[in-house]
Amino acid sequence: SQQGEEDPQALSIQEGENATMNCSYKTSINNLQWYRQNSGRGLVHLILIRSNEREKHSGRLRVTLDTSKKSSSLLITASRAADTASYFCATVYISSGSARQLTFGSGTQLTVLP
Amino acid sequence: DAGVIQSPRHEVTEMGQEVTLRCKPISGHNSLFWYRQTMMRGLELLIYFNNNVPIDDSGMPEDRFSAKMPNASFSTLKIQPSEPRDSAVYFCASSGGLAAIWETQYFGPGTRLLVL
Repeated sequence: SQQGEEDPQALSIQEGENATMNCSYKTSINNLQWYRQNSGRGLVHLILIRSNEREKHSGRLRVTLDTSKKSSSLLITASRAADTASYFCATVYISSGSARQLTFGSGTQLTVLP
Repeated sequence: DAGVIQSPRHEVTEMGQEVTLRCKPISGHNSLFWYRQTMMRGLELLIYFNNNVPIDDSGMPEDRFSAKMPNASFSTLKIQPSEPRDSAVYFCASSGGLAAIWETQYFGPGTRLLVL
């Protein structure tokens, strides 16, 4: 089963509002990443947070990580119509020995209405 | 930088035919990943290479799928014979440096495959 699961599956907001997406995972992780995918395009890396970090910022993006709850959130402030896309969390964890795995969640479809 | 290049962008084929997808990673990146994306299963890692060597192919669904990386600038994913359930978008991604393999991945635009 997938390591990361996003919530909600779909989110629709007005331009200027903040958008919050959540990701839950099942096992201990090395890092957690957020990617954006515009319709018909490849994924674009947004931000990475390591297991020993609790919060990171990048422009209008804010990511938090709660390892005790095995969850992360992505906050997009002052949303724009151009933020309309699918957002995926990806977790990197040790699968066996030193081998690592990267697993993507099912994504949140964000629609920002002008 | 041209980014990750994939070809073809779209492929329509009939069941039983051989399909070959191609990928050129970003120059200097030494890790390459093949993913498949469907509505039902989401984004799945099929196989990844490090320094042209396949490291983990546990995600390859069946023996009908094979992948090669003959050199640092080229990789192929082949499906033979193809089946309708192989219809999906196939992405190639690359990352650079040993430490960065599990950090930032750069995705290509994908190949949309339809098997009739």
